[in-house]
Amino acid sequence: LAKTTQPISMDSYEGQEVNITCSHNNIATNDYITWYQQFPSQGPRFIIQGYKTKVTNEVASLFIPADRKSSTLSLPRVSLSDTAVYYCLVGSTGTASKLTFGTGTRLQVTL
Amino acid sequence: GAGVSQTPSNKVTEKGKYVELRCDPISGHTALYWYRQSLGQGPEFLIYFQGTGAADDSGLPNDRFFAVRPEGSVSTLKIQRTERGDSAVYLCASSLSGVGETQYFGPGTRLLVL
Repeated sequence: LAKTTQPISMDSYEGQEVNITCSHNNIATNDYITWYQQFPSQGPRFIIQGYKTKVTNEVASLFIPADRKSSTLSLPRVSLSDTAVYYCLVGSTGTASKLTFGTGTRLQVTL
Repeated sequence: GAGVSQTPSNKVTEKGKYVELRCDPISGHTALYWYRQSLGQGPEFLIYFQGTGAADDSGLPNDRFFAVRPEGSVSTLKIQRTERGDSAVYLCASSLSGVGETQYFGPGTRLLVL
């Protein structure tokens, strides 16, 4: 399994850009990288997914270097409502059980 | 449209009892997943359905856990002889047609075994 490693927690002020890095040294050729956000008492919510280079959507960007052994989720101008736990997942389309969430990164945004 | 729903939202039971947890996926989604989440941990994979069949049940911890999806829509997770260690939030997710697609999660069922 492609084990992922993320910082346990991060703090930020409102309006700043936040970058959360995930290490996945054993990523396989067919694996893609997905990030989810989870608020207390809710299920995780999809943020972004990518395979290589850079992916951007309306809420975040995902940067993946050429070796794909890490990835960085970038949240521009965070607000208090971005306070949540962020999970990095690595897996392929073939095996559901490979999609392991890990312990995630707890982001705290303050004024 | 409606998202993934789970019932009950909370369940308190006594050690040794049997419980059933229900998941209603998004209409038309053929893939359905069950996860278990303990406090301070990420979701832990339990089982994955493709249609009516369990395509991957490698995450079920032991034979006290069983899940069904008889008509390819609603799924029920069944836990026999519950133990205190089964206390957790049980999450259900669905995706349109298979692994690799965006998973849409329900709010979870919080199970407490006394």
